[in-house]
Amino acid sequence: GDSVTQMEGPVTLSEEAFLTINCTYTATGYPSLFWYVQYPGEGLQLLLKATKADDKGSNKGFEATYRKETTSFHLEKGSVQVSDSAVYFCAPFNTDKLIFGTGTRLQVFP
Amino acid sequence: NAGVTQTPKFQVLKTGQSMTLQCAQDMNHEYMSWYRQDPGMGLRLIHYSVGAGITDQGEVPNGYNVSRSTTEDFPLRLLSAAPSQTSVYFCASSYSGRDGYTFGSGTRLTVV
Repeated sequence: GDSVTQMEGPVTLSEEAFLTINCTYTATGYPSLFWYVQYPGEGLQLLLKATKADDKGSNKGFEATYRKETTSFHLEKGSVQVSDSAVYFCAPFNTDKLIFGTGTRLQVFP
Repeated sequence: NAGVTQTPKFQVLKTGQSMTLQCAQDMNHEYMSWYRQDPGMGLRLIHYSVGAGITDQGEVPNGYNVSRSTTEDFPLRLLSAAPSQTSVYFCASSYSGRDGYTFGSGTRLTVV
């Protein structure tokens, strides 16, 4: 079946540092790709999405590009803030199902 | 719009008891799913539905039943609770799946 692999956390950064969280997936067909964010004690929120190859999703300074040739959807942000501290989930949608990686915890310190 | 509403927010069950976690959405979404979230394991799909009268199993369906008699509601039933079902449960809905899902605030279930 489909699966998704995210880099292990936690990722610890200083404020204004560059962020990359790696995500690769395996899927039959042509999935849509999503990043969700979960702030402490809350549910999940959609952060960004991409529906076809080479699409770039973006929101709140975060970006991710749908790379079909490498089956990847890495999340990036040029300058993180303390308020970005959360758990980030990569999630492909395919064959009527949305599945999740294990999540990557990001901790940003002043 | 209320979005996706889950009840209850917290529940403690004894082993062997049964209960139903409620999920309702008011966005006329066809796609609905149930997940459980455990530490270090991300979210795992329990059951999902693509419309009223249609349900299917996800990655971890054992011990859970669902039904979808209306577009709005997608209840999750625990038939005989076990300590291994202690988890946080999330319900989510989407118009087409590819447009992204809206999540409820979760139900924290403890089975003792």
